[in-house]
Order: sequence, then C-alpha cells, then structure tokens
Amino acid sequence: DAGVTQSPTHLIKTRGQHVTLRCSPISGHKSVSWYQQVLGQGPQFIFQYYEKEERGRGNFPDRFSARQFPNYSSELNVNALLLGDSALYLCASGRGTSGTLGYEQYFGPGTRLTVT
Amino acid sequence: AQSVTQLDSQVPVFEEAPVELRCNYSSSVSVYLFWYVQYPNQGLQLLLKYLSGSTLVESINGFEAEFNKSQTSFHLRKPSVHISDTAEYFCAVSDAGGTSYGKLTFGQGTILTVHP
Repeated sequence: DAGVTQSPTHLIKTRGQHVTLRCSPISGHKSVSWYQQVLGQGPQFIFQYYEKEERGRGNFPDRFSARQFPNYSSELNVNALLLGDSALYLCASGRGTSGTLGYEQYFGPGTRLTVT
Repeated sequence: AQSVTQLDSQVPVFEEAPVELRCNYSSSVSVYLFWYVQYPNQGLQLLLKYLSGSTLVESINGFEAEFNKSQTSFHLRKPSVHISDTAEYFCAVSDAGGTSYGKLTFGQGTILTVHP
C-alpha cells in the first residue's frame, strides 16, 4: 500500500511570494494534518482536516491556510512568505475516527521549503 | 496545554551498548504517547505507541517504552543498539479524547549516534 505522499519534494521561493504544498493520505484515511519542522526542532502542529472540515488549528498566522478535497487530499497554502517560513513541512494522515486507532498518525516524507 | 520535554538533545553510544532516551510530558488530561524516528532528510516514522492496555510497549526492532503515569514519563529503551539506529527520535503526546485526533505535541528531539 502506498504511504503518505507529498509534493513537491523541495521548493525555493522568494520573500513575499505564495506557495502551495500538496499531500495525499494513505488510502482509507480521512484525516490530514500539517506540521512545520524548523531545523533543529520538533514538528509544530499547523492544521488538521477531517472530512473537508478544519478540526484543529495551531498557533500560526493567517498567512497559513489549508483545505481538504473530496478525495481526502489536502493543500497547505502560505502567503507573503517570510525567511522564517523556511522549514520542512510534514503531512500526516490518520483514520480520524473515534477510538484509539484514530490517534495514530502516519507522516509523509515532507516538503523542504527554502525562502530566500 | 500540553508539553513534552526530551531531556537529552544528543546521546552518543557505542554499538551493542544499551540506551535510554528520556521523555517527560505535562498534560491536564489523559494522554496517548508516541515515539517517532526520523532518519536524515526523511519524514517521521512511527516507532511505537501507548494507547491503552499494558504500559510497556515494544517495537519490532527491539525498542521498548514504558508509560509511567505517576512520573509522567515515557522513556525509550533498547538493550543493544546497532549502527543503523543512528537517527533523531521524537516523543509526542496527544489528548486521549475530544476530536483533535491529529494534533500531536512533539518534544525537541534526541539525536542518537551509535559509534562502532
């Protein structure tokens, strides 16, 4: 079975530009979460989506937005890029259901964003 | 709010020696606990999890962790490490309830380096 896939793998943008990152969850998973991992730190939660609705939001500015599509894939959008947005962006998929199995999150390989 | 503290940022050990990576958490509610491993330039892989049942959980490659509720700890151990265990290890916590199934709070990570 295919795991979580993310595209692109690497991306270089200039300050002030906009970026869109994409994620496809594991087949059968309905929840997608996004995390930002700055070099040398643990991942920080940005968003969680389940059945196309936002279920959770971390402490990130409004420049960050996301959406989930009917096929459960997701996009993360970041506007007005800052140098500090340079990071590895990780997508995680999960069942999103109640019960203990709903809490298991499986991560993709990430998108490395560099803002110059 | 939850928090996770990994007490060691770097742990160097020799091959075949035992290792313990320490993790403490803080939460006002019941939690589920996870250990993830990250190899260079890769995403996170779920290593093991505590969701319910036995407080001692094991992975397929010889790691184990014990949930200690009174000490709010979830330390990761391996009795004999291999060169291939060299990686960064992240401890993470999730609320055991509610609807934020995808929201994980991570520690800062511990870099395990196994020397020959």
